[in-house]
Amino acid sequence: GAGVSQSPSNKVTEKGKDVELRCDPISGHTALYWYRQSLGQGLEFLIYFQGNSAPDKSGLPSDRFSAERTGGSVSTLTIQRTQQEDSAVYLCASSLAQRMISGTGMTSGANVLTFGAGSRLTVL
Amino acid sequence: RKEVEQDPGPFNVPEGATVAFNCTYSNSASQSFFWYRQDCRKEPKLLMSVYSSGNEDGRFTAQLNRASQYISLLIRDSKLSDSATYLCVVRGGYNKLIFGAGTRLAVHP
Repeated sequence: GAGVSQSPSNKVTEKGKDVELRCDPISGHTALYWYRQSLGQGLEFLIYFQGNSAPDKSGLPSDRFSAERTGGSVSTLTIQRTQQEDSAVYLCASSLAQRMISGTGMTSGANVLTFGAGSRLTVL
Repeated sequence: RKEVEQDPGPFNVPEGATVAFNCTYSNSASQSFFWYRQDCRKEPKLLMSVYSSGNEDGRFTAQLNRASQYISLLIRDSKLSDSATYLCVVRGGYNKLIFGAGTRLAVHP
C-alpha cells in the first residue's frame, strides 16, 4: 500500500484479555519498528525487525508482549493478559534498510521512518 | 540516565520569533540523528536529518556537536503552523531508533 497500515485503529478490552495488533508496512520496506506512546509521553521503543528477524527485543516491557513478522511484511504485536498500564497508542513504522554514505557522515534517505496512524489500546 | 534527553517545554513564542531546541544523547557511538515532528494526536513525521556538518532546510537549521553529544534545532521566523512537538531521534545499536520525549512548541499570534 501507499502507507503503513495499522489495525485496529481503536481497541477497548477488559483487563486480562489478550489483544493482537497488526501492522502492514510499506511494500519493500525491510525494517519494521514497534513503539508505544502513552498519553503526553514520548515514544517507547518496543521491538525492531530487519526482515523476519528481531535483532533487538530489549524494549518489550514484559513476557506478556510478543511480536512476529512473517514473509518480511506484516507484523503482529500480541499482548497477553492485558493490564491497565498497557493502555497506550501502539505505533508501527517501516523503512528501507539503512546505509551509511562513506566519508560523509550522512546516511541514505532510507533512514526515513514512515509511521502508521497507530492503534489506540484502552484496557478497562 | 535516558539515552536521549530533551527539555519538554512548552516553549511559547510569538509569530516571527526564533526558537532553538537542544537534545543530548548518551551513546557516543551513535552515528545518525534526526528531528521528527509530531502534531497533536498524530503520528510522528520526519522533519530533517542532522548531518555532521550541520544542515539547513528553509527556516530550519540542525546542528550536531559530537564532542558534547548534543544536537540542536533552530526555527527562524516561527509560524503558527510550527506549533507541534519536536522529537529528537538517535540511531543506536541494532539500528534501533531511540526517540526523545519531545519538546512542545506553541507559536501564538
